[in-house]
Amino acid sequence: DTAVSQTPKYLVTQMGNDKSIKCEQNLGHDTMYWYKQDSKKFLKIMFSYNNKELIINETVPNRFSPKSPDKAHLNLHINSLELGDSAVYFCASSPTGGVSSYEQYFGPGTRLTVT
Amino acid sequence: AQSVTQPDIHITVSEGASLELRCNYSYGATPYLFWYVQSPGQGLQLLLKYFSGDTLVQGIKGFEAEFKRSQSSFNLRKPSVHWSDAAEYFCAVGPFGNEKLTFGTGTRLTIIP
Repeated sequence: DTAVSQTPKYLVTQMGNDKSIKCEQNLGHDTMYWYKQDSKKFLKIMFSYNNKELIINETVPNRFSPKSPDKAHLNLHINSLELGDSAVYFCASSPTGGVSSYEQYFGPGTRLTVT
Repeated sequence: AQSVTQPDIHITVSEGASLELRCNYSYGATPYLFWYVQSPGQGLQLLLKYFSGDTLVQGIKGFEAEFKRSQSSFNLRKPSVHWSDAAEYFCAVGPFGNEKLTFGTGTRLTIIP
């Protein structure tokens, strides 16, 4: 059983297209995150949701829109893709409350390549 | 704002040798500190964490880390590395009351036979 799963694992698309990445967690966590890892392995948080409510939005272009249909899912939709969006996108989840909320569990990543 | 520095981009050690990966943080108070490992093509896995108390913390896979307030450091150690330890290692800091983790730029560990 995969705790945090993402689909697809690889995504190759052209500039200007719209694409979505899906994330699901079966850990019963209330908080979910999206991170972007660039070609130099720098990992930066994009968004976090707590029980379907947006908590953190790190000045990400509004072409990126997270959507949380329920607390087990956090999808990332990207409009008008640009070359600079090429990266690995990680979904993560964590429990809510206390120090455990800092223990984040990551999915395997989605490698997005924009050509 | 908090920040994390991992001075070593790439480290190579022989299998069976000891390992120390460096991490320095910048934060106004005592932060929560973490080490994550990323194996090739995989997501990040939490190795260990420090919140408070004993400054030497034990993690999974035989790793430990020591929090040194005076040096603003949280270095990761392992007495004897295995070939399977080859991976990218990330140090992260999280301020109290805000679960937003700030990651360092990572240290790539290569193990040679």
